[in-house]
Amino acid sequence: QVQLQQWGAGLLKPSETLSLTCTVYGGSFSGYYWSWIRQSPGKGLEWIEEINHSGSVNSNPSLKSRVTISLDTSRNQFSLKLTSVTAADTAVYYCARRKPCDVTSCYGFDQWGQGIMVTVSS
Amino acid sequence: DIQMTQSPSSVSASVGDRVTITCRASQSFNNWLAWYQQKPGKAPKLLIYAASSLQSGVPSRFSGSGSGTDFTLTISSLQPEDSATYFCQQANIFPFTFGPGTKVDIK
Repeated sequence: QVQLQQWGAGLLKPSETLSLTCTVYGGSFSGYYWSWIRQSPGKGLEWIEEINHSGSVNSNPSLKSRVTISLDTSRNQFSLKLTSVTAADTAVYYCARRKPCDVTSCYGFDQWGQGIMVTVSS
Repeated sequence: DIQMTQSPSSVSASVGDRVTITCRASQSFNNWLAWYQQKPGKAPKLLIYAASSLQSGVPSRFSGSGSGTDFTLTISSLQPEDSATYFCQQANIFPFTFGPGTKVDIK
């Protein structure tokens, strides 16, 4: 059974860098896209960025200039860095897995991490 | 970006009732729509993908339909454990976008 376990700092000051990591347990790291998604009361669920095992990245243009996603295949981990945070970045951050679209279908996010509440406050 | 809207924003129904939630997209995206269930303090759970395909392990009382820009999620016989918020998501065009959610309560 695949499990995604995420961790990182939960309290940041404005202008700091958010850093989160997600480890994939019990399943293959290859053959999927690995995403970061956040959820806030004001903006709902917002997809941030994703990466696959070969390093191919897809981004949300609204955040792309501040976001870096990376992976460590030897540890089955992928990470998110979001620079210059403000109060608007306060949200629950999730990591999630997506099977790539194929000739028959596109798929949703079928595995999620537990979520981390990140608060940006001075 | 493709904008997703949902209606109603909330619904209260009795156990055994049929509940239908609607999701509308600002443009067509080849019907690659997913539905999720989220309970308080938990991550979303995938229920339906490709508009009508049931994710493994999801009870058959959940079903999805629709095409173009209009989609529906139906719970054929509402159960107490179905109390949750339901989200739609377009899964084809970057950036992926989600609907605002529909809260389902049990009367």
